[in-house]
Amino acid sequence: AQKITQTQPGMFVQEKEAVTLDCTYDTSDPSYGLFWYKQPSSGEMIFLIYQGSYDQQNATEGRYSLNFQKARKSANLVISASQLGDSAMYFCAMRINQAGTALIFGKGTTLSVSS
Amino acid sequence: NAGVTQTPKFRVLKTGQSMTLLCAQDMNHEYMYWYRQDPGMGLRLIHYSVGEGTTAKGEVPDGYNVSRLKKQNFLLGLESAAPSQTSVYFCASIKFRTGLNTEAFFGQGTRLTVV
Repeated sequence: AQKITQTQPGMFVQEKEAVTLDCTYDTSDPSYGLFWYKQPSSGEMIFLIYQGSYDQQNATEGRYSLNFQKARKSANLVISASQLGDSAMYFCAMRINQAGTALIFGKGTTLSVSS
Repeated sequence: NAGVTQTPKFRVLKTGQSMTLLCAQDMNHEYMYWYRQDPGMGLRLIHYSVGEGTTAKGEVPDGYNVSRLKKQNFLLGLESAAPSQTSVYFCASIKFRTGLNTEAFFGQGTRLTVV
């Protein structure tokens, strides 16, 4: 069965430190994509980063990078130099290609950044 | 996320009433999704569409119907609202590209309360 697992309900980090948010996935489809979204307290969903299953390099977008380990089926989000504005809920999601393509989400990790 | 617009933003329904949520995107994306977000559950896929005139069921389709008569619009209908459908509903629109360049956007959400 297709599944996304985020095992950290909450994470705490100080400003300027790096933090890793864990995400593991399960799929038998050889072609898939992995996303990370940020949801601040205001409620909107903000797209952060995308990694395709055939992409050779790990995705990076500014302070965000995706540590993609295909054999371990993990796609962890690394935020470097945390800022107070990074405090939010973070969701990992997977696009699966069999039977028409769906996008499924994990339950999320709440990140709290303190000064 | 100026490219995806959901209407309405808030709504209170009485049990048994019907309503339609509208998701509109102006980015010419093929793939559109409807989710509900409940505390501790993450985002759960209700229905999705891979193109004009096509729809498919997601994880929690019961009690909902959808239509995609025009490429830019994806409608979510509740025929007879129940208190269990109290939730925040999100629409998403995605254009998948090769490599790392993928556009993924969410609407701002609709907060629905069924009393």
